[in-house]
Amino acid sequence: RKEVEQDPGPFNVPEGATVAFNCTYSNSASQSFFWYRQDCRKEPKLLMSVYSSGNEDGRFTAQLNRASQYISLLIRDSKLSDSATYLCVVNGPTNAGNMLTFGGGTRLMVKP
Amino acid sequence: DTGVSQNPRHKITKRGQNVTFRCDPISEHNRLYWYRQTLGQGPEFLTYFQNEAQLEKSRLLSDRFSAERPKGSFSTLEIQRTEQGDSAMYLCASSLVTDTQYFGPGTRLTVL
Repeated sequence: RKEVEQDPGPFNVPEGATVAFNCTYSNSASQSFFWYRQDCRKEPKLLMSVYSSGNEDGRFTAQLNRASQYISLLIRDSKLSDSATYLCVVNGPTNAGNMLTFGGGTRLMVKP
Repeated sequence: DTGVSQNPRHKITKRGQNVTFRCDPISEHNRLYWYRQTLGQGPEFLTYFQNEAQLEKSRLLSDRFSAERPKGSFSTLEIQRTEQGDSAMYLCASSLVTDTQYFGPGTRLTVL
């Protein structure tokens, strides 16, 4: 079993749609959680951190459920520019050195 | 631009050859990380440095791989006797202690 699991997609949605991605992680000792965005043939870039209380950044909302070891990302009012791969990321498994463990990514394609 | 830089951006080599990649982190970032990413997968942790000390290495880092950060600034990753399975994108990231990791553009290695 992978340490961080995501549905690879692709998710094909029209502009303006709301789309949600989910992710599960196996290490209950993980301390920090993130969503990174990666455009084709580019490096990953931090989209947002994920906090236990849930957090929002504009059209993006992230939720964390520690009991279920589940992380989600909701994108509202999708834009063409949101097309990318979204990587669910946790720190660990050793929590040493802030090492990041990435899921395989979920690909989103927003169409006109 | 004072982001993370990596050189070369692309490297094509024949099986059995040695290759070396360089990473220049964001100045003042004392942590430097190497990751490897293959097509359709998320990045996988290889190793990290705090200043010049290499503090953790993944099981993925076979004895053909060696990384250095001699003065606590730039880092090199060398792969000896390359194999076709080494073909991947090699990503470098840097951070302050426990802070966000910022990724460089990567070096894409193709082993023929």
